[in-house]
Amino acid sequence: AQTVTQSQPEMSVQEAETVTLSCTYDTSESNYYLFWYKQPPSRQMILVIRQEAYKQQNATENRFSVNFQKAAKSFSLKISDSQLGDTAMYFCAFMKVGYNFNKFYFGSGTKLNVKP
Amino acid sequence: NAGVTQTPKFQVLKTGQSMTLQCAQDMNHEYMSWYRQDPGMGLRLIHYSVGAGITDQGEVPNGYNVSRSTTEDFPLRLLSAAPSQTSVYFCASRRKTGGALTGELFFGEGSRLTVL
Repeated sequence: AQTVTQSQPEMSVQEAETVTLSCTYDTSESNYYLFWYKQPPSRQMILVIRQEAYKQQNATENRFSVNFQKAAKSFSLKISDSQLGDTAMYFCAFMKVGYNFNKFYFGSGTKLNVKP
Repeated sequence: NAGVTQTPKFQVLKTGQSMTLQCAQDMNHEYMSWYRQDPGMGLRLIHYSVGAGITDQGEVPNGYNVSRSTTEDFPLRLLSAAPSQTSVYFCASRRKTGGALTGELFFGEGSRLTVL
């Protein structure tokens, strides 16, 4: 079974600074997707960024970027120019690719507090 | 553009009562699933469905039933509620592309269930 580990239960960052959230995963698969989801206090789960394992280039979405290290099975999220609206729980998730693979595996989450 | 709609958003039950959490999506997604979210444990898969008439168990299926009579709806039933089922429940869906399940999960807003 796949496991996803987020070793930082809670982090804080000052507004406008940069913060990096860590995620490691364990799999024997070679073809998979990785995701970061954001859950603000409203409880809605929002996709932040997505990375296909076959792509060497790290994904970026505006202020959000990832550092994908396939050999190390590491998938960290960097948030630049942090904003108060970034305050949320962040979940790392893993998904195998294929016709019969139907499960997402989530980490336990990192609570990010952005301070003014 | 409703996306994934869950009802109710909040519910309080007594031990032994039954109830159904409703989930509907209007994106014609083949895949639908139910997760529960508990503090420090991320999201855990309860049941999922890859199409009308097809359901299967996830990581934590005990105490829950599902059915999928239409593409749009995927209700989750608690037949005899227990305090251990106090949690936040999320319904999520995703599309199939070329026969394979790809792409991110789209989530409902969650349902907070308390069992006394």
